[in-house]
Amino acid sequence: KAGVTQTPRYLIKTRGQQVTLSCSPISGHRSVSWYQQTPGQGLQFLFEYFSETQRNKGNFPGRFSGRQFSNSRSEMNVSTLELGDSALYLCASTGSHTDTQYFGPGTRLTVL
Amino acid sequence: AQTVTQSQPEMSVQEAETVTLSCTYDTSESDYYLFWYKQPPSRQMILVIRQEAYKQQNATENRFSVNFQKAAKSFSLKISDSQLGDAAMYFCAYRSSNAGGTSYGKLTFGQGTILTVHP
Repeated sequence: KAGVTQTPRYLIKTRGQQVTLSCSPISGHRSVSWYQQTPGQGLQFLFEYFSETQRNKGNFPGRFSGRQFSNSRSEMNVSTLELGDSALYLCASTGSHTDTQYFGPGTRLTVL
Repeated sequence: AQTVTQSQPEMSVQEAETVTLSCTYDTSESDYYLFWYKQPPSRQMILVIRQEAYKQQNATENRFSVNFQKAAKSFSLKISDSQLGDAAMYFCAYRSSNAGGTSYGKLTFGQGTILTVHP
C-alpha cells in the first residue's frame, strides 16, 4: 500500500496570508490526525477527522481549521498567518482495526 | 491530561553497541498504548515499536525492545547492535485506548531524544 502523502512539501508565505495543506491517508484508513511540530513547542495535536467529521481538537486558535472529504483525504487551513505558524505540519492516518498512526513526510511552512 | 517526559535531550552510542532511551509518562488511565517513533533528518516520522498497556510482555522488533514498567509509568527503548542508520530523533508517545471525547486520534509526545551513532 502507498503511504501517507502530503502536499506541498514546502511552502513560503507572508504574514496575513492564508494557506491550505493537503493529506492523503493510506488506502482504507478513515481517520486523519494533524500535528504541528516546532523546535520550541515540540509536537502538538491540532485535530482529528473521521468520516468527514471532526472528532477532536487541540488547543489552537480558530485560525486553524480543517476538513475531510468522502475519500478520506483531509485538508487543513491556516488563515491570517503569523510568524509563529512557521512549523512542520504532519498528518497521520489510522485504520479502523489498528491503534497505530502512520505519518506522512510533512509540509514545511515558512511564514515571512 | 496525560504527559510524556523524555529526560535525555541527547544520547550517543558507538556502532554495534547498545543504548537505552528513557521515557516516563503520567496518566490516570489503566488502558492505553505507548509508542516509540523515529524521526531522521528527512523528518519522516517512522514507527519503531508499540506496546499495549494491558500486555505485561515487553514488545520487541528485531534490534529494538522496550522495558515497560506500568506501575512506575516507565517505557524505555533499547537499541541493540546500533547502526549508523539508527541516528535520528526518537519520540515516545502515548495514546489513550478510551474511545470518545479528547481521546480521538490524539498522540501525546515527549520532547524527543537526539541519538547520535559514532562509527
